[in-house]
Amino acid sequence: RKEVEQDPGPFNVPEGATVAFNCTYSNSASQSFFWYRQDCRKEPKLLMSVYSSGNEDGRFTAQLNRASQYISLLIRDSKLSDSATYLCVVPRGGSNYKLTFGKGTLLTVNP
Amino acid sequence: AAGVIQSPRHLIKEKRETATLKCYPIPRHDTVYWYQQGPGQDPQFLISFYEKMQSDKGSIPDRFSAQQFSDYHSELNMSSLELGDSALYFCASSLGRYNEQFFGPGTRLTVL
Repeated sequence: RKEVEQDPGPFNVPEGATVAFNCTYSNSASQSFFWYRQDCRKEPKLLMSVYSSGNEDGRFTAQLNRASQYISLLIRDSKLSDSATYLCVVPRGGSNYKLTFGKGTLLTVNP
Repeated sequence: AAGVIQSPRHLIKEKRETATLKCYPIPRHDTVYWYQQGPGQDPQFLISFYEKMQSDKGSIPDRFSAQQFSDYHSELNMSSLELGDSALYFCASSLGRYNEQFFGPGTRLTVL
């Protein structure tokens, strides 16, 4: 299994839709997980951190299943501004200072 | 809120030249990380520093070196540049090694 593997996408959804991205990781020692979003030619921006079973912030919900080594990101009521690439990020070797990025999933929200 | 500052934002160099990229972390952040993102690729970890000491090394070529200074800013020095070094170079910082990393806007390096 690759270190971090994401849904390849792309996802094209209408405004208001609910969309979910999946991510699997290989390092069972990882304790924390992150979702970043990256707009074209810009820096990755931290969207959510996940340390336990999940995290919720407004329209965004992240869930962690340690047994299956699986993380998901759910976006409800999609906005045009949610269009971006979503990166699943897992610390390598269980530490936070070497991050392994997934290849990213491109989301386009259409009017 | 203050963010990570990187300079320059854009840099054009010829093959075999040298380049120096600078990173100023978020105030009070003591850990700096460097990443390289090629076209259509995900960011690849290069090297990190914690409290001015190198804390981890990733896929950084021997032609590159970096350091963190007493004011916590960091510089990535790149020598004998190759065409394949053309990429976006991101710096990120965190408060401690075990906390979330915040990325700067990146330096776009083009090697001709």
